[in-house]
Amino acid sequence: GESVGLHLPTLSVQEGDNSIINCAYSNSASDYFIWYKQESGKGPQFIIDIRSNMDKRQGQRVTVLLNKTVKHLSLQIAATQPGDSAVYFCAENEASNYQLIWGAGTKLIIKP
Amino acid sequence: NAGVTQTPKFQVLKTGQSMTLQCAQDMNHNSMYWYRQDPGMGLRLIYYSASEGTTDKGEVPNGYNVSRLNKREFSLRLESAAPSQTSVYFCASSVAAPKDQPQHFGDGTRLSIL
Repeated sequence: GESVGLHLPTLSVQEGDNSIINCAYSNSASDYFIWYKQESGKGPQFIIDIRSNMDKRQGQRVTVLLNKTVKHLSLQIAATQPGDSAVYFCAENEASNYQLIWGAGTKLIIKP
Repeated sequence: NAGVTQTPKFQVLKTGQSMTLQCAQDMNHNSMYWYRQDPGMGLRLIYYSASEGTTDKGEVPNGYNVSRLNKREFSLRLESAAPSQTSVYFCASSVAAPKDQPQHFGDGTRLSIL
């Protein structure tokens, strides 16, 4: 497969453990936040989103936490599986424009 | 379900050559986008089309042109390719603006300019 990034921050997690991926966002006016998963050789895949009027949102095995005070976003993956190996990106959007601002990504490695 | 389809998947060009990257979506989405992704970086928006008949510049539009051919198709053209345009190009679509709407991505076109 093709690497999507040469110097990405990397998180190694034991299979079955929980993973926490962090993201610091840049724009205090951003009001919509998204997490994407990108597997090698593929396009980004939507995981979960959250609006700024929420602090927490849960999906299937994933939870996103938003701390607007410190402009911090996190993605928690429960019971990490080999299929969770990928690069994870956070993205932010301000309601007044069409542009998503993307973070640089975090590579998640699952140890057997 | 096809979703967002990009062609070609791979392409090698010589400096100065031109080419068009094609993108089509079958989800009846109004908005479409072109991004580039370079190693060690997140995606950067080149151009977007909020709706059929409109296009706007994104963060890195220089050296590119786009055409929203119809609601389904959004093409990206490099008129005179340069080595700095070597990248992976992704097309995306969404129901409407990114406000509260996730984008759906194709699997990319890997473009090398020699």
